[in-house]
Amino acid sequence: ETGVTQTPRHLVMGMTNKKSLKCEQHLGHNAMYWYKQSAKKPLELMFVYSLEERVENNSVPSRFSPECPNSSHLFLHLHTLQPEDSALYLCASSLGTLQFFGPGTRLTVL
Amino acid sequence: SQELEQSPQSLIVQEGKNLTINCTSSKTLYGLYWYKQKYGEGLIFLMMLQKGGEEKSHEKITAKLDEKKQQSSLHITASQPSHAGIYLCGADMEPGTASKLTFGTGTRLQVTL
Repeated sequence: ETGVTQTPRHLVMGMTNKKSLKCEQHLGHNAMYWYKQSAKKPLELMFVYSLEERVENNSVPSRFSPECPNSSHLFLHLHTLQPEDSALYLCASSLGTLQFFGPGTRLTVL
Repeated sequence: SQELEQSPQSLIVQEGKNLTINCTSSKTLYGLYWYKQKYGEGLIFLMMLQKGGEEKSHEKITAKLDEKKQQSSLHITASQPSHAGIYLCGADMEPGTASKLTFGTGTRLQVTL
């Protein structure tokens, strides 16, 4: 238990669906992150929010839309995804350099 | 080529044996983090190293950062089935951007009985 929770843990969606991933932390951290983990590839940083402002967007397609309404919550809104977007999506939070990770959402796009 | 290379990519060891995993970069590592991941789950923080020559241990796991701060190793002594999983190194490679970590591709460890 790292103090970072993610829901849902598993998600199957069609290419025309709209869904959202949720991340929550109550560690008092001021930065939150979305990562994508695909087989045999390094963790890919997608978005970084610091003090609720997006400070990093690593050329992520617009079909992924992050939202950070407050320092404890982070969402990733998904729409018209492609099969190659199937992956494990990890959320992390930090206060400084050390990041704590959630358990991830296993996403399958059909 | 990857900014952060991990070796080996996978490892199978017999219970009770020692093993070492390496994480190498051509750039200076301003912070080096070791994590463990069970398949399909999140990353669990193991250890953080920041100073050249630093060494930390926890239970049977020892992590070191070389003097040049470009290579780190993770050593497990007398491995147990509970050590099985994927070990990832993450590094802060840009000074002043403490929020951005670069990760290696991971080392998958299996421990046989």
